[in-house]
Amino acid sequence: SQQGEEDPQALSIQEGENATMNCSYKTSINNLQWYRQNSGRGLVHLILIRSNEREKHSGRLRVTLDTSKKSSSLLITASRAADTASYFCATENTGANSKLTFGKGITLSVRP
Amino acid sequence: DSGVTQTPKHLITATGQRVTLRCSPRSGDLSVYWYQQSLDQGLQFLIQYYNGEERAKGNILERFSAQQFPDLHSELNLSSLELGDSALYFCASPGRTQFFGPGTRLTVL
Repeated sequence: SQQGEEDPQALSIQEGENATMNCSYKTSINNLQWYRQNSGRGLVHLILIRSNEREKHSGRLRVTLDTSKKSSSLLITASRAADTASYFCATENTGANSKLTFGKGITLSVRP
Repeated sequence: DSGVTQTPKHLITATGQRVTLRCSPRSGDLSVYWYQQSLDQGLQFLIQYYNGEERAKGNILERFSAQQFPDLHSELNLSSLELGDSALYFCASPGRTQFFGPGTRLTVL
């Protein structure tokens, strides 16, 4: 079953604009991660934010986490055509057998 | 390049058949995770192995099985294949943040 649910399902923006993607989850987590997938290829890890962190930056990426609302957002600033891909949030649940659970993903299209 | 390798890249087979997918984790990684990605189900965790032992099970069908060998490569066996098994199959390592292989695209006709 899906833990993370991304929103929107698809996003189309112009190059140079910012892209904001949201993820909501249901259970307690150790951390939340964002991955990127180019069409038909393997997922690539982008960024991890721990449950005790509220915001994290990596280059043009900014991730926020609100554990009270069980939600996270990924902001990509100054988007480029090369950012076109699917983006997934994944949560690592708490507990002895923690594992990553992925959402269904957001398809981002950046128009040149 | 994630360092995780998977073979074959593509596999086309018929219903009722059996196939084996192979994965080698990154050098030094002991864990292997298998995932299935389909349009309707998204990315589903199937099973995890750690140093040859099964560590966790997800939404893996009874027709599917996996093992991890002493050299740490892993194989995912899919039998009695159905049309709905057509999907991308990924393996990943090591754990907290995962490095994904390029995937095997399975098409069942």
